[in-house]
Amino acid sequence: QVQLVESGGGVVQPGRSLRLSCAASGFVFISYAMHWVRQAPGKGLEWVAVISFDGNNEYYADSVRGRFTISRDSSRNTLYLQMNSLTTEDTAVYYCARALGKDGYSYGGFWGQGTLVAVSS
Amino acid sequence: EIVLTQSPATLSLSPGERATLSCRASQSVSSYLAWYQQRPGQAPRLLIYDASNRATGTPARFSGSGSGTDFTLTISSLEPEDFAVYYCQQRSNWPPRYTFGQGTKLEIK
Repeated sequence: QVQLVESGGGVVQPGRSLRLSCAASGFVFISYAMHWVRQAPGKGLEWVAVISFDGNNEYYADSVRGRFTISRDSSRNTLYLQMNSLTTEDTAVYYCARALGKDGYSYGGFWGQGTLVAVSS
Repeated sequence: EIVLTQSPATLSLSPGERATLSCRASQSVSSYLAWYQQRPGQAPRLLIYDASNRATGTPARFSGSGSGTDFTLTISSLEPEDFAVYYCQQRSNWPPRYTFGQGTKLEIK
């Protein structure tokens, strides 16, 4: 079955960087686009970024473009989110999600349990 | 940017009743709309995609309808496990962009 396990969250000071990982299993990783979605404490969902199945294309929400980078390593079946210049507004649970289908970027069909990032001085 | 507005913010119903949740887009999204369920402390779960298609494992009591700017998620007869927060999401084909609504909390009356 599809499994997505996020890691790398924690407490970080404003202005610093953090890299999140999402280990994927139970499906052919190179066949699907992958997303990051976040949820601030007590708030709704916010889409962050998506990467194509082959890693050649990336798209970002306006709120993170230029600061965050999504990437993937097919040899490790792992998705990453490099987060730079963090602010308190980036505090959230970060979820990785696999695209529902193999066609395009689709929707978040399968989700991990999330990892918490807290930006605080 | 396309804005999704969900209503009501909170819906109080009893098990066995019918629930109707609304999602309105600020401009047409065709049928590129999904519905997610999120129970407390859990990750979201995809229920409906492309406005009316049930995802694998979604019970038949859940149905989605609409196109353009107005969409509805209907739960025909509420089960105890259905009380949760529901989000709609739209996707733009090019460039890929996604927006969520602010959510509707479905609570037990």
